[in-house]
Amino acid sequence: RKEVEQDPGPFNVPEGATVAFNCTYSNSASQSFFWYRQDCRKEPKLLMSVYSSGNEDGRFTAQLNRASQYISLLIRDSKLSDSATYLCRGGNNRLAFGKGNQVVVIP
Amino acid sequence: NAGVTQTPKFQVLKTGQSMTLQCAQDMNHEYMSWYRQDPGMGLRLIHYSVGAGITDQGEVPNGYNVSRSTTEDFPLRLLSAAPSQTSVYFCASSYSGDGGQPQHFGDGTRLSIL
Repeated sequence: RKEVEQDPGPFNVPEGATVAFNCTYSNSASQSFFWYRQDCRKEPKLLMSVYSSGNEDGRFTAQLNRASQYISLLIRDSKLSDSATYLCRGGNNRLAFGKGNQVVVIP
Repeated sequence: NAGVTQTPKFQVLKTGQSMTLQCAQDMNHEYMSWYRQDPGMGLRLIHYSVGAGITDQGEVPNGYNVSRSTTEDFPLRLLSAAPSQTSVYFCASSYSGDGGQPQHFGDGTRLSIL
């Protein structure tokens, strides 16, 4: 089993709607997780850090469920500019990424 | 503040040629890593280093060598390029490798092997 797994989608969401997706991890020792945003195979850029139960930044909310070993990302009031691939990162030393969740916001 | 700098940005090689992808960071980060990204495959870890003089293999290390003689630099060497190594390569660094710190990425090297 890969250390971090994501459903690549795409997740098509109407502008203004809410979209949520998960990232599952296999290493129960992982303490911290990160969500990155990647545009058109440019470099990934840090979106949010998740150190405990969750984090919130404006329209973006990340939740960590240690019992079920997954992290979720929720985007409220989706904008066209939110169209991107969202990568989840976990692990220790061998820092692993999921394949990413592709989000397409539709006008 | 340059962050993570990768060179070159683009490169075309012939099968069998060798080359080195350069990566340098100016943030005094201990942890550095190389990933390759192919369509539908996400970011796959090639090699990583937890500090100068220490390197280890990631998920897809075959065909690649690394060394870490200084904290700042972490070059990736392709000894004999193969078409399967056509990819986008990203170098990343973080303060530590214990998973508790976010990584900073270079803007990538787009490599084509003919």
